[in-house]
This record gives sequence, structure tokens and C-alpha cells, in this order.
Amino acid sequence: DTEVTQTPKHLVMGMTNKKSLKCEQHMGHRAMYWYKQKAKKPPELMFVYSYEKLSINESVPSRFSPECPNSSLLNLHLHALQPEDSALYLCASSQDLSGTWTQYFGPGTRLLVL
Amino acid sequence: QKEVEQNSGPLSVPEGAIASLNCTYSDRGSQSFFWYRQYSGKSPELIMFIYSNGDKEDGRFTAQLNKASQYVSLLIRDSQPSDSATYLCAVLDSGGGADGLTFGKGTHLIIQP
Repeated sequence: DTEVTQTPKHLVMGMTNKKSLKCEQHMGHRAMYWYKQKAKKPPELMFVYSYEKLSINESVPSRFSPECPNSSLLNLHLHALQPEDSALYLCASSQDLSGTWTQYFGPGTRLLVL
Repeated sequence: QKEVEQNSGPLSVPEGAIASLNCTYSDRGSQSFFWYRQYSGKSPELIMFIYSNGDKEDGRFTAQLNKASQYVSLLIRDSQPSDSATYLCAVLDSGGGADGLTFGKGTHLIIQP
């Protein structure tokens, strides 16, 4: 089973709202990722958590705040977003003891900021 | 800066033919290579991964890696209309830890019935 789940599937929020995106995996993976994908562009890395610790932050604005409560869960807290933050937000997880670190993506949350 | 290059297409292939998708990468330190398929409005779905030089086959799909030429390709045999999608080439540098994927811009493949 290579399932990563994400909620909600769709989210519409105003620029003053606070919302959270959630991601869950039960594959025993110890690395989890957030990517952002704009229309007709490839995914861009935002954050990496490894063994529940933030290991990579790709200079993401502070209005995006990641959280990893445990090894199965990953949250992305959103506050005071801008319309240009509208995108598909993808969660992924990986750990492959053979060294390939294959990443499996969830279905994504499509975010619209008004 | 790490770069992954793909021809954006569209690449149009008749049904039943072989579709050939190509990708080059700039960082010689890259360790693992992935092909993802993405349908419009959906998330990327893993098709193949390869990390040793040569060919790797899985059903109708064959991935080919040439590290000396910094080149990776994906062949799709007996192409079906359901193979019509954007194919993303992705590269991972890390040999032993979590790291982000570097993606190419994707090749839009159209299989003509």
C-alpha cells in the first residue's frame, strides 16, 4: 500500500483567514514533504521533515507554517495568504531502506485564495 | 543550480506505437531518477524509478539511465489513449537521506486513437 491521504480536497479562503492542510500516511515512512504546484508548472519543494524534524525549508514565506505532530501526520498552517498562493498543494512521503527514497504523492489540496 | 530538462511537447504518438520521453540533468551527483505521470487536475503518480545505469523494465514501461551522458529516458510500448498525460522526470541527489525532488517541466504526451 502506497497511500498518502490529504484533506481537504478543495479549499477557498480569504486573505485574512487561517486554515490548515492535513496529510497522513500509514506506510511507516519517516520523511514527509510539502510541494506547491502552479498550473502547467512542475511541483516545487516547500518543506521536508525527516524523523519528525524540519530538515529543509526552501525559503518559504512565514505565512506558511509546517508542523509534524508525529511520524504519520503532516500539517501546513496557512495565515494571511495572497491570491498568488493559489495552487495545488501536494504532500509526499518516503523512506526506502534500499536508498532510492522514492516519494509517493497524495491527491493534493487545491487552494484558492480570494 | 540543479536543472532537469525535458521537451515540453506536445508529443503526439499513434495508438499502439512506442512513445519515447527524454530527460537530461545537470548535476553529476544525482543518485536516483524517477518518472511520474500526471493527469490534468490530479497529483503525480509514480511510474518508474531507476538508479543504476542501463535499462529497467516494468510491464509496458522501460526506463533507461546513462549517467555518463546525464540522460534518462522512458519508453512506453503499445501506447494507449489512457497514457495521454504529462510525464514528469524527477531527480534526487541524496544517496542516503530525505531530500526534495528536482522536476523537469514535464512532457505532454498525446496518444492518438
